[in-house]
Parts: sequence; structure tokens; C-alpha cells
Amino acid sequence: QKEVEQNSGPLSVPEGAIASLNCTYSDRGSQSFFWYRQYSGKSPELIMSIYSNGDKEDGRFTAQLNKASQYVSLLIRDSQPSDSATYLCAVNGNTGFQKLVFGTGTRLLVSP
Amino acid sequence: NAGVTQTPKFQVLKTGQSMTLQCAQDMNHNSMYWYRQDPGMGLRLIYYSASEGTTDKGEVPNGYNVSRLNKREFSLRLESAAPSQTSVYFCASSGGPYNEQFFGPGTRLTVL
Repeated sequence: QKEVEQNSGPLSVPEGAIASLNCTYSDRGSQSFFWYRQYSGKSPELIMSIYSNGDKEDGRFTAQLNKASQYVSLLIRDSQPSDSATYLCAVNGNTGFQKLVFGTGTRLLVSP
Repeated sequence: NAGVTQTPKFQVLKTGQSMTLQCAQDMNHNSMYWYRQDPGMGLRLIYYSASEGTTDKGEVPNGYNVSRLNKREFSLRLESAAPSQTSVYFCASSGGPYNEQFFGPGTRLTVL
């Protein structure tokens, strides 16, 4: 069983729409949750972090965490073609030292 | 601040050759990591260094060695390269209360 699961996509949305990316994790003790954006041929870039249940907003991005259901999501409002990338979910493995466990990512395509 | 830097950006090796990938960070982070990323496999942790003077194996350490030279620098060595080590290698560092990880630009390695 994968520890962090994401739908590989691609998730296709039109420009201006809301893109919703989801991630589930298996370790109930996980404490820290991160979203990375990775453009093709580039390195992962941290865009959001969330540590407590509920929503956290930063500009067009909203991260949502539900520890009881073991899922974390990322909403992108007013999606732009420049948002087209792969989005990686990462979870604190909560096994001693804080190694992150990454999902394999969801590819997002925003069409003009 | 340059953040996390890696050298070289690209490298082609023949089977059996050795090489060292270099990584440096200027964010005064305690922890550093080496990942490899392959299509469909996501990011996999090779080795990490929780703090200066310590190193530990990650998920896929076979065929690699590491050295934490000082707080800033963490190198990855391939002693006898194999075609299965063809991949993109990322170095990352982390610090702060939530140990957010920040990635370098990556090294694209091809082993023929």
C-alpha cells in the first residue's frame, strides 16, 4: 500500500476555473503536509504547507487538511495556463526524523 | 541567497565509471537529502543527513555513498555507475520548526 496517493491525471481545466487536487495518506500520526509544484524539467518548488485541520489560503491557492479522513487537498482558483505543472503532495513520515514521503504527483493542464 | 545549488547540471557516464554529485546550501539548514526521480516512480530518498556529522540510508541507497562535508555541503558518489542509475538527482535541505524542504535544480545523469 502506497503511503501517499495521488491521482496521476492529467487533470484538465479551462482557464479561470478552479482546479482541485487531492491526496490521501496512510500514516495517522503524520503532522506536516506540503504541496510542491514541479514544471517539466525543473525541480519541485514548495508552494503550500499546512499543519492543522481546516483551510489555509495563500493568494489563489488554498490547502485543506482533514486528519480524521487522512486527506489533504489543494485548490487553485482562477487557474492560469502557467499553473500547468505536476503537483506533488508530501507528508511528514512521522517516523523519528522528519523524512517526507512524496506522492507521485498529479499533472494539471490548464487550457486557454 | 542562492538557496540550494548542485553541480553538474548534466552528466553522461559509461557503465563502471565513478562520479560525485555536489550539493551546497546557504540557508543554514541542519538537514540535507539526496533524491532520485524516475518517470512513474516519484521522488525516492537515497540518503539523508539529519545534521552535520550524521548520514543515514533512505529508500534506495544501494550503489551510492554520501559525505556530509560540513554544514553547507552534502555530496553523493556513484562508485561504479550502472544504467539503472540513469535518473534525475535532486538535493534538498530543510530547517525551521516544520522542516520544510527546499530543492536544488537537479542533475540529469545518463549511464550508457
